[in-house]
Amino acid sequence: ETGVTQTPRHLVMGMTNKKSLKCEQHLGHNAMYWYKQSAKKPLELMFVYSLEERVENNSVPSRFSPECPNSSHLFLHLHTLQPEDSALYLCASSQGGTGAIHLHFGNGTRLTVT
Amino acid sequence: TQLLEQSPQFLSIQEGENLTVYCNSSSVFSSLQWYRQEPGEGPVLLVTVVTGGEVKKLKRLTFQFGDARKDSSLHITAAQTGDTGLYLCAKSVSGNTPLVFGKGTRLSVIA
Repeated sequence: ETGVTQTPRHLVMGMTNKKSLKCEQHLGHNAMYWYKQSAKKPLELMFVYSLEERVENNSVPSRFSPECPNSSHLFLHLHTLQPEDSALYLCASSQGGTGAIHLHFGNGTRLTVT
Repeated sequence: TQLLEQSPQFLSIQEGENLTVYCNSSSVFSSLQWYRQEPGEGPVLLVTVVTGGEVKKLKRLTFQFGDARKDSSLHITAAQTGDTGLYLCAKSVSGNTPLVFGKGTRLSVIA
């Protein structure tokens, strides 16, 4: 069983829907991340939380809204998405947030926006 | 930009063959990591290399960090079907910046 659990595994939503992705880590790490993985593109870092404070926001559109209520949980709230937002959304955690850290990834949520 | 170029983009080989995939950058980096992502799963860290010229071995996988700290290679000996997956390299430029990933090499090993 992975130390980082993401739910749901698959999500189909219309452009007017509001949904949330959930991530939980059981590793005692102090940093959590959201990445977007699209075909033919590198993994794109979206948000980083270190000690529950957002330390990185890579020019992500406001239709994506992260929330980190504690060091074990991370959410990504979605609203009025576009079809180009369809992708695999990966959550990761680490001890420490930058440099040659060891990222532990969940298995992702496959999002389809119709 | 701090892009990482990985080649080849796709590779399909027979079981038992050897292969090498590459990761290159135009700028020096402080460390380089290799991850493998199997279908339906998230990436899993294979190795971190930090010293120019460093070579690390993980069973049939050999990782090398270039002397100039701008490139790295992954060599697999006698590939097995279980090696199938997306191989991602990720670099760290300094101690206080996030990792930058390449697009990956998608490897398919056929029995």
